[in-house]
Amino acid sequence: AQKVTQAQTEISVVEKEDVTLDCVYETRDTTYYLFWYKQPPSGELVFLIRRNSFDEQNEISGRYSWNFQKSTSSFNFTITASQVVDSAVYFCALRVDYGQNFVFGPGTRLSVLP
Amino acid sequence: SAVISQKPSRDICQRGTSLTIQCQVDSQVTMMFWYRQQPGQSLTLIATANQGSEATYESGFVIDKFPISRPNLTFSTLTVSNMSPEDSSIYLCSVHVAGITEAFFGQGTRLTVV
Repeated sequence: AQKVTQAQTEISVVEKEDVTLDCVYETRDTTYYLFWYKQPPSGELVFLIRRNSFDEQNEISGRYSWNFQKSTSSFNFTITASQVVDSAVYFCALRVDYGQNFVFGPGTRLSVLP
Repeated sequence: SAVISQKPSRDICQRGTSLTIQCQVDSQVTMMFWYRQQPGQSLTLIATANQGSEATYESGFVIDKFPISRPNLTFSTLTVSNMSPEDSSIYLCSVHVAGITEAFFGQGTRLTVV
């Protein structure tokens, strides 16, 4: 079975600070995909980033970056120079190759204060 | 990608009544799913909407309570039947597009049962 854990329930930072959201996953499958989604107060889920199990290269995309480490089953997400508009609930999710549905973590509520 | 229109965006309903939520996609998609997000919680998969056949329900969800239709490759409905206050949640439609790994979500239906 698959499982996603986000140990941080809530995080508060002051605008312009960097913030890292932690995600730990469990799966026995060798092929899988990891995602981060953002859910602003309006409710929709917005896709942010994706990583597949064969590519551990960490990347930066604008103010977003992620650190994927298979050795520790972690897929952490960093927002650099946070802004008030980044305030939302962030979900880490896992999808295995053969399955079609996603397993979501419990979410981390990020509050960026002005 | 896919553009998903979900209706209604929110509703307040009396207990014992039923509400049908619509999900319209701007292109044909292979997979459509319905999720429930209870207040302050993560997303839980209700069922996979199968085109031309009965939906596939996850453990804890039954057809009598959550009947689903999918008459074609671009449209699905979820009905929440005989509602109680415990059904107050955000209900989200999700689709998978062939060749794209991430899932796309509708804006959600925020349901309050009084």
